[in-house]
Amino acid sequence: GNSVTQMEGPVTLSEEAFLTINCTYTATGYPSLFWYVQYPGEGLQLLLKATKADDKGSNKGFEATYRKETTSFHLEKGSVQVSDSAVYFCALSDLSTGNQFYFGTGTSLTVIP
Amino acid sequence: ETGVTQSPTHLIKTRGQQVTLRCSSQSGHNTVSWYQQALGQGPQFIFQYYREEENGRGNFPPRFSGLQFPNYSSELNVNALELDDSALYLCASSSPDRGSGNTIYFGEGSWLTVV
Repeated sequence: GNSVTQMEGPVTLSEEAFLTINCTYTATGYPSLFWYVQYPGEGLQLLLKATKADDKGSNKGFEATYRKETTSFHLEKGSVQVSDSAVYFCALSDLSTGNQFYFGTGTSLTVIP
Repeated sequence: ETGVTQSPTHLIKTRGQQVTLRCSSQSGHNTVSWYQQALGQGPQFIFQYYREEENGRGNFPPRFSGLQFPNYSSELNVNALELDDSALYLCASSSPDRGSGNTIYFGEGSWLTVV
């Protein structure tokens, strides 16, 4: 079946530190991979996505590369800001199974000044 | 901004009662899906509606039901509420046949507390 496993948090970093949040997946088909971000009290917002192997998604300084050989989609940012404090969710979707999204449990990030 | 709107934003119900949550999809999106997000967890797929028909369902009991209307808005109904139904209920819309891929866009959610 389909599933996502992501690094447990919480993660606390100082401003301008390098961020990595690990995400690995299991899929029966050829999924698309996503990172969503959730700010306190809000719904999920799409951060970036990649639809096939070796694609790199990027947005707002965040990047993630679809690695089929390691079934991974790790999220990275070179220099985090206080405003990046949020919960980050890795997700996959496989249109062949009806576009149901499978989410990881989320990683809470706190950036301190 | 996603354009997906949900109502109500917060509500409190008593165990055994019934609740209806509403969602308006983003303009031009014909597919709506519902997710349950328990505290500290990732969203779990409840079901999806495409052109007014349910076309996918997660591991939720039949007391979770839904509707989609001709304007693509949707309702989630939960009967016989249980304490464990307390969660954030998220609606997401998409339009897979419009070349936007399979990205889904979420609303702000409805917080349901069952007491």
